Formats: sequence, structure tokens, C-alpha cells
Amino acid sequence: QKEVEQDPGPLSVPEGAIVSLNCTYSNSAFQYFMWYRQYSRKGPELLMYTYSSGNKEDGRFTAQVDKSSKYISLFIRDSQPSDSATYLCASRLGSARQLTFGSGTQLTVLP
Amino acid sequence: DADVTQTPRNRITKTGKRIMLECSQTKGHDRMYWYRQDPGLGLRLIYYSFDVKDINKGEISDGYSVSRQAQAKFSLSLESAIPNQTALYFCATSDPGLAGGVSYNEQFFGPGTRLTVL
Repeated sequence: QKEVEQDPGPLSVPEGAIVSLNCTYSNSAFQYFMWYRQYSRKGPELLMYTYSSGNKEDGRFTAQVDKSSKYISLFIRDSQPSDSATYLCASRLGSARQLTFGSGTQLTVLP
Repeated sequence: DADVTQTPRNRITKTGKRIMLECSQTKGHDRMYWYRQDPGLGLRLIYYSFDVKDINKGEISDGYSVSRQAQAKFSLSLESAIPNQTALYFCATSDPGLAGGVSYNEQFFGPGTRLTVL
């Protein structure tokens, strides 16, 4: 079992929809949680990060971590075609030197 | 100019050949990483280096080796390429920066090298 599991999709939604992307993790010691966005033929880029539990909002994006259920979520409001990409969740221990990535969810927002 | 560059961007080679993928960065970061990405498996860490004298194996280092020639350069070698090493390879850098007192260690990725081993 991978330490970070992510539904690969693909997920297709109409423009303007609310998108929910989710990951689960098995290591209860993970403290840092990140979402990376990867456009086709590009490297991943950091979209959002959170430390420990709670919510973090940045414009149309909200990252949520529920440590009790080991659940990581990314919500996209008013989705746009430019949001079409693969979204990867990632986690790491406080003292760890490396990230553990989920397998990524491919999202398409249809105009 | 891109902060993290990878060469070549695409490479087709044959089984048994030695291949080197190169990564350069202008971000001034000490930490560098090599990942491979396969469909359904996500990003998996091959090797990482926190400074020129520090080299560490990642999750899937068998069949690979690395060289950290300078702070800005980190190369990945496949000593004898095999078909199941066909993948997209990414280099990344990071700096243990602080934001609000939290060290989130954001990683910055290069554009990737698509390697095909026949």
C-alpha cells in the first residue's frame, strides 16, 4: 500500500463547477501537506501547502487537512478551463528530507 | 530563462546503453532531487542531495547513479538502460525556507526529460 493514495481520475467537469480532489494517507506522523499542479508537458508546481490540520484558502482554491481521518482535500471554486491539469498531493514528516507524492488526478474543465 | 533546466528534453536509446540526464539550476538552492514519473504511479524519488558532499538514495535507486558536480548541477545516469526505465524524469530543487515559522521546503521542478528505452 502506498503511503499516499489518490484517485487517478480522470475527472471532467463543466466550467464554473466546484471541484473536489482528495487523497488519503496512512502515516499519522505526516505533518506537511501540499498540492502540486502539473500542466501537460510541464513539471509540477506548488499550488498550496498546509502544516498540520485545518483549512487554507487562496483565491478560488481551498486546501483542507483532516488528520483524524487522514484525509487531504483540494477544492476549486468556479473552475476554469485553465485549471485543467494533473493535481498531485504530497506529504512529509516534520523531520523528513523528502516528499511522498500521490499518483495524481487528471482534471479537465470543459468550457 | 528557466530556473531549473534539464537536458536532453527527449531521448530514445537502446537496451544496455549508458545514458546521462543533466540538471542545472540558477535558484541558488542547496537541495536537489531526481524523480521519475510513470502513469498511475505518480512521482517516485530516485536520489537526492542536500549539498555537494551529500548524496542519498531514494525510493527507487536501483539501476541509477548520480553525480553532484557543483551546487548548481546534478546529473542522473542509467548505467545500462532497460525498457522498464522508460519514463518521464524530473529534476527538482528546494530551499528550506520559512513561511510563518514553518519550513515547508517547496520543491521547484524542471520541465522533465522523456526517456524511451527500446
